Amino acid sequence: GAGVSQSPRYKVAKRGQDVALRCDPISGHVSLFWYQQALGQGPEFLTYFQNEAQLDKSGLPSDRFFAERPEGSVSTLKIQRTQQEDSAVYLCASSFRGQSGSYEQYFGPGTRLTVT
Amino acid sequence: RKEVEQDPGPFNVPEGATVAFNCTYSNSASQSFFWYRQDCRKEPKLLMSVYSSGNEDGRFTAQLNRASQYISLLIRDSKLSDSATYLCVVKGGYQKVTFGTGTKLQVIP
Repeated sequence: GAGVSQSPRYKVAKRGQDVALRCDPISGHVSLFWYQQALGQGPEFLTYFQNEAQLDKSGLPSDRFFAERPEGSVSTLKIQRTQQEDSAVYLCASSFRGQSGSYEQYFGPGTRLTVT
Repeated sequence: RKEVEQDPGPFNVPEGATVAFNCTYSNSASQSFFWYRQDCRKEPKLLMSVYSSGNEDGRFTAQLNRASQYISLLIRDSKLSDSATYLCVVKGGYQKVTFGTGTKLQVIP
């Protein structure tokens, strides 16, 4: 079956530009996560949705970062006025269960963002 | 102190060797524990969950020590295909997940 997909796979933005990164989770998956992974580091949690509700956005590094999942399926991570330190791979993951039960996150291939 | 700490390595081991990775976590209220594998320029994939009683999956054995707040991963009879970065993952309440920085393993012919 189809896994988690993300688009674009690669994005080059000039400093100050706005970017929008898309995530299509596995159909029926309740939970959706965004992570930021810098080179040589593990993924850092950004935000979490359960259906359309954003339940945790504590990892968003600044108010330039905004995420939404209006219909409880596709999610968009938007970064306004990009800075060089935003260069990283942005990973999206989804999982089937909500707050209890089995918990395996399935990751998309990521969007590699380079800010020049 | 980081919430989840791992030795970044790299661990360079010959084929057939046994190698072990440890990971320590700081939040004693952590509920679930996992090992993920990440190949170069690929997304992380779940390797195995870690249970209190310890668990084994083929050549891989994971253990949890709640008292000392660490988890371990043992790989026996290493294969070239085991070369990857191994990420320790700790889940607290309410789905909050924290990844370690990863331990890089290179299996040498």
